Amino acid sequence: GNSVTQMEGPVTLSEEAFLTINCTYTATGYPSLFWYVQYPGEGLQLLLKATKADDKGSNKGFEATYRKETTSFHLEKGSVQVSDSAVYFCALDYGQNFVFGPGTRLSVLP
Amino acid sequence: GAVVSQHPSWVICKSGTSVKIECRSLDFQATTMFWYRQFPKQSLMLMATSNEGSKATYEQGVEKDKFLINHASLTLSTLTVTSAHPEDSSFYICSARDRSKGAYEQYFGPGTRLTVT
Repeated sequence: GNSVTQMEGPVTLSEEAFLTINCTYTATGYPSLFWYVQYPGEGLQLLLKATKADDKGSNKGFEATYRKETTSFHLEKGSVQVSDSAVYFCALDYGQNFVFGPGTRLSVLP
Repeated sequence: GAVVSQHPSWVICKSGTSVKIECRSLDFQATTMFWYRQFPKQSLMLMATSNEGSKATYEQGVEKDKFLINHASLTLSTLTVTSAHPEDSSFYICSARDRSKGAYEQYFGPGTRLTVT
């Protein structure tokens, strides 16, 4: 079946550090891929997306590239800020609904 | 654009009572809405898919008689938790597809925190 695997957290970084959160997926066909962010006590916000292989999604300094050959969609940011502290969810859409990864909690320390 | 609202944002109710949560797409028409449940520090679990004008499709293990879903219009879906119990306490999130933007655009509401005492 379709599934999403993320690196286990929590991830704790110092401000201005480089961030990578790994995401790999299993799916039939070619799903669309997403990263969502959830700040404490809030709902989900779309961070970025990619709809086909080799697409790169980017937003607010975050980037992720849809890699079909490795079935991955790793999230990266060159310099994190304290305000980036949140839970990040990788997700795929195979047409009818979403499959979410378990989420990775990021804490950025000043 | 593409805003989804939920009401209430939080609710406390007594065991045995019913609670209704509304999900609205404010500036687009949503033929499909989804209801998720999120336990503390866990991922989202899809409960059901709601299509305007038809019965909701529930995921395996979700009691349809307990979680009543109605999608009466292109901008409103409701989730009613009937005879709530403390184990129903959770964060409920809805999402909606914007049918004008293709199948992959889905927008999430801010969530409703339900506490059953």
